[in-house]
Amino acid sequence: KAGVTQTPRYLIKTRGQQVTLSCSPISGHRSVSWYQQTPGQGLQFLFEYFSETQRNKGNFPGRFSGRQFSNSRSEMNVSTLELGDSALYLCASSEQTIGGELFFGEGSRLTVL
Amino acid sequence: AQSVTQLGSHVSVSEGALVLLRCNYSSSVPPYLFWYVQYPNQGLQLLLKYTTGATLVKGINGFEAEFKKSETSFHLTKPSAHMSDAAEYFCAVSPNSGYALNFGKGTSLLVTP
Repeated sequence: KAGVTQTPRYLIKTRGQQVTLSCSPISGHRSVSWYQQTPGQGLQFLFEYFSETQRNKGNFPGRFSGRQFSNSRSEMNVSTLELGDSALYLCASSEQTIGGELFFGEGSRLTVL
Repeated sequence: AQSVTQLGSHVSVSEGALVLLRCNYSSSVPPYLFWYVQYPNQGLQLLLKYTTGATLVKGINGFEAEFKKSETSFHLTKPSAHMSDAAEYFCAVSPNSGYALNFGKGTSLLVTP
């Protein structure tokens, strides 16, 4: 099976712009979650989707949003980018609903100038 | 809210020496506990997890961890360090529903010859 695929891997944006990141989970996995990783804050949970429904949401402003499609692919969007949004955004998928292994992609590294 | 604390942001050991990475959690209910490893420019990979049952959990690459409820700890150990073990290690806790993992700040393991 192919692993979790995230696109793009690297991108540079300027303040005020918006960005969309994509995640293709492992085939058969219906749960997709997103994390932001920064040197200062570490790994922070953004949101989790299961069968197109947002099941959990982290403590991030409304500029951060996401969705999941019927094929389990997921996108996250950040609007009105700020310098502090520069981070590695990691997507993870799982086939189980509770306590299963999360499989992470390699991430999308966003730089905001 | 459940959280984890990883003691020591950097740990250095000699090749062949014992590896001990510390993790303490706070949780009002029995949690699910995980250890993940991240190699440079890669996503996270599950080392091991504790859900229920046996408190000594064995994982990949010779790592193991023991869940101690009385000490609210889940320390990661490996009897003999290899150079290839150099990476960032993250402890995480999850409520028993969904995948809103709360990660520790991480411990960078350096293995010296």
